[in-house]
Amino acid sequence: TQLLEQSPQFLSIQEGENLTVYCNSSSVFSSLQWYRQEPGEGPVLLVTVVTGGEVKKLKRLTFQFGDARKDSSLHITAAQPGDTGLYLCAGADFNKFYFGSGTKLNVKP
Amino acid sequence: NAGVTQTPKFQVLKTGQSMTLQCAQDMNHEYMSWYRQDPGMGLRLIHYSVGAGITDQGEVPNGYNVSRSTTEDFPLRLLSAAPSQTSVYFCASTWRSSYNEQFFGPGTRLTVL
Repeated sequence: TQLLEQSPQFLSIQEGENLTVYCNSSSVFSSLQWYRQEPGEGPVLLVTVVTGGEVKKLKRLTFQFGDARKDSSLHITAAQPGDTGLYLCAGADFNKFYFGSGTKLNVKP
Repeated sequence: NAGVTQTPKFQVLKTGQSMTLQCAQDMNHEYMSWYRQDPGMGLRLIHYSVGAGITDQGEVPNGYNVSRSTTEDFPLRLLSAAPSQTSVYFCASTWRSSYNEQFFGPGTRLTVL
C-alpha cells in the first residue's frame, strides 16, 4: 500500500506547456520533499516544504504544501526538454521517509 | 568529497545465495538508509540507522539485515536471495533532521534468478 499517491503516473507534453503534478496522502507529514531522478541515477532533491500552506519557487518550478500537511503539488511553467525525468515526492514521518510512486515526465522539443 | 558510494553497480545472484551490498558516505551524516525501487512503486524504505550502533526497520525489511558499526558504512545483507528481491537498491544519507536533503548513491541493480 502506497502511503503517498502521485498523479499522473505519466505525462508527455510539448516544450512550452505548463503542467502540475500532485502528491496526496491521508497521513500528516512533518515535511515533504520533491526529488527528480534521471535514468540510472539516484534521486536529487529539488525542495523541502515544512509549513502547511507553504509555497516555494525554484525558477520555473512552484511547490505547494497543503494546509493540513497531507498533500503537495509541483507546477512547472513553460516546460523544457531538460525537465524530463521522474519526479518523486517523499513525506517524512519522524525517522522514516515514504516515497510516492513517481510521475514520469517527458517534454518533447 | 565522494558523497555516497555504493558497490557493486550490478549483481546477478542465484536463488538462495547470500551477498552484501556496500554503502559508504564521507559527509559525517548521522542518518543512513536503504531503499529498493521497483517499477511503478517509487522507493520503499528497507532499513535505516540514526547513528552508529542503532538500526531500525522500514516498510519492507523482510529478507534483509543491516548493521552500523561506523558512521561511514551501512552494509545491506541479503541472507538467502529470492527472485522477489530483484530490484534497484539505493543507499542514502542525511543529517538527522527529516527536513534535510537525503543524498543518494548511484544504486545497485540486482537480479535474482
